[in-house]
Amino acid sequence: QTVVTQEPSLTVSPGGTVTLTCASSTGAVNSGYYPTWLQQKPGQAPRTLIYSATNRHSWTPARFSASLLGGKAALTLSGVQPEDEADYYCLLYCSNPRVWVFGGGTKLTVL
Amino acid sequence: QVQLVQSGAEVKKPGASVKVSCKASGYTFTNFYLHWVRQAPGQGLEWMGIINPSSGSTTYAQRFQDRVTMTRDTSTSTLYMELSSLRSEDTAVYYCARMTMSGGTWDFWGQGTLVTVSS
Repeated sequence: QTVVTQEPSLTVSPGGTVTLTCASSTGAVNSGYYPTWLQQKPGQAPRTLIYSATNRHSWTPARFSASLLGGKAALTLSGVQPEDEADYYCLLYCSNPRVWVFGGGTKLTVL
Repeated sequence: QVQLVQSGAEVKKPGASVKVSCKASGYTFTNFYLHWVRQAPGQGLEWMGIINPSSGSTTYAQRFQDRVTMTRDTSTSTLYMELSSLRSEDTAVYYCARMTMSGGTWDFWGQGTLVTVSS
């Protein structure tokens, strides 16, 4: 069973930059895993920010960018705003078996 | 606009079953896959399975394989997730979420349905 690993928590100052990462126990993350990033604020449903590793949805602020970096998927927030404080989840597709697996989530604190 | 509207909260006793619905609107129901995801209180997101609304074919996460059934009604553009043999650990918010049929693009989510399992 694939395990997807994220940093449990990170802290960033307003206006700063932070990178969250997402690793797979099966090896290097590539585009075939369709890396997806979601944001969830308390009491709300998740919101999809990034799909297919690097693509923003129309509603995703430009300060959110994503990449494949050193065998991991990465989400970078630049010019962090107080409203970016949230839980961020990585989601990967595993082709054998054909399942989707969430990471444990990163709690981002803006302080 | 795309909307996924889920049914209301449920309270069930251990051993019972629950059926949660997700009504889609604003797009062609059979052109997108739909997933079910759950989140126990204070915990992370957990993928439960996927259904192709066009064919009705499903793939379930192994841990739910023997207890979950995902179905759809194309006449009403509604998706259903039934979970049987409920136990207290199944207390969670259950979400439906849409994904494109090519490219694995997740986009819209339902608002969530709280299922509480308690004696």
